[in-house]
Amino acid sequence: DQQVKQNSPSLSVQEGRISILNCDYTNSMFDYFLWYKKYPAEGPTFLISISSIKDKNEDGRFTVFLNKSAKHLSLHIVPSQPGDSAVYFCAARVQLNKFYFGSGTKLNVKP
Amino acid sequence: EAGVAQSPRYKIIEKRQSVAFWCNPISGHATLYWYQQILGQGPKLLIQFQNNGVVDDSQLPKDRFSAERLKGVDSTLKIQPAKLEDSAVYLCASSFQGAGGYTFGSGTRLTVV
Repeated sequence: DQQVKQNSPSLSVQEGRISILNCDYTNSMFDYFLWYKKYPAEGPTFLISISSIKDKNEDGRFTVFLNKSAKHLSLHIVPSQPGDSAVYFCAARVQLNKFYFGSGTKLNVKP
Repeated sequence: EAGVAQSPRYKIIEKRQSVAFWCNPISGHATLYWYQQILGQGPKLLIQFQNNGVVDDSQLPKDRFSAERLKGVDSTLKIQPAKLEDSAVYLCASSFQGAGGYTFGSGTRLTVV
């Protein structure tokens, strides 16, 4: 059972524009959400997180939005830069710090 | 702060052979995880250690996979015998006392032929 879903396998955006990556989840017990960024041949690196008690968290060009009623998470990157081109995974936590990951969205930012 | 170290980076083996992966977590991180990432999919948790005890191994195929974390520091993950469907990247991650996000290693890419 896939409790965390990223339905868009890829996204292409022009440099300077906004990138919006989406994530849906099914388990209402998730209490903490993360976004990871992954470059080829490297492990995922932590990008930004949000607790289930919040609906927005911002860090520079990156903002994560959480809509608990819709069980939906999104990552906004503004403005997008070519160096942002990577695969982005969302992850959601249940007890004992166990995370479930989505299948990833490959972002391509075109110069 | 040194990151999570994994070796080898790449491994090619024939089916039915055995293979072992090694992980050294960030110093002081009590919680260690092994994830399997099949191409086109997200990482899937295989096993979670807290110090040298197993917290969750519900998704570990125990007939062929085994893992240990002696002395609560380094960990090894073994596959014996390997199957074609085990071809994946095996990621090790650690976290401080099981809180917050993980720090991942670069992974070991296993190809079973």
